Amino acid sequence: DAGVTQSPTHLIKTRGQQVTLRCSPKSGHDTVSWYQQALGQGPQFIFQYYEEEERQRGNFPDRFSGHQFPNYSSELNVNALLLGDSALYLCASSLNRFYNSPLHFGNGTRLTVT
Amino acid sequence: DAKTTQPPSMDCAEGRAANLPCNHSTISGNEYVYWYRQIHSQGPQYIIHGLKNNETNEMASLIITEDRKSSTLILPHATLRDTAVYYCIVPRGQNFVFGPGTRLSVLP
Repeated sequence: DAGVTQSPTHLIKTRGQQVTLRCSPKSGHDTVSWYQQALGQGPQFIFQYYEEEERQRGNFPDRFSGHQFPNYSSELNVNALLLGDSALYLCASSLNRFYNSPLHFGNGTRLTVT
Repeated sequence: DAKTTQPPSMDCAEGRAANLPCNHSTISGNEYVYWYRQIHSQGPQYIIHGLKNNETNEMASLIITEDRKSSTLILPHATLRDTAVYYCIVPRGQNFVFGPGTRLSVLP
């Protein structure tokens, strides 16, 4: 049973560029959440997707956008990259129909902005 | 989210039980308590969750007080591989907010 998979594992971009990160949820899961984790900090919630729509959003600017596909996989897009966007980006999946469904995380994409 | 409070760090001797406390005094009646851990450079790993009864799985035990205002995660026989940051979370719905957690160091 495949867990949450993310690609790429590492990425280096230049300020002002755009980046797309990808996530495949755990088998059977239909909800995908994205988190940003800066060095030495806990993960911070970016947004959550269910039924191909953004359902919840954290305190992140519009430069951060996402998409969920019919197969439940998801993308995170960040435009106009800033140095402060350097972080570990984590994807987590869960099952919507169970109120207490835990999140299952991938190992993240390490983004470095130079 | 119900606010959780955890000690910033703890040490535990290898082979001994590690008991990690968490206070969540503002928890509501239908809110669950979840525990995750994060080993350096990996994603958070789900450990266990519970509502009001004590829970046990192959990784750990979760003890929740009767008033539900605090809980303790127990790793019965800690190993060096259990060294990690442990997060106690009380989400509302599926919005999980991570605090700074407890950095557990298992010492040989």
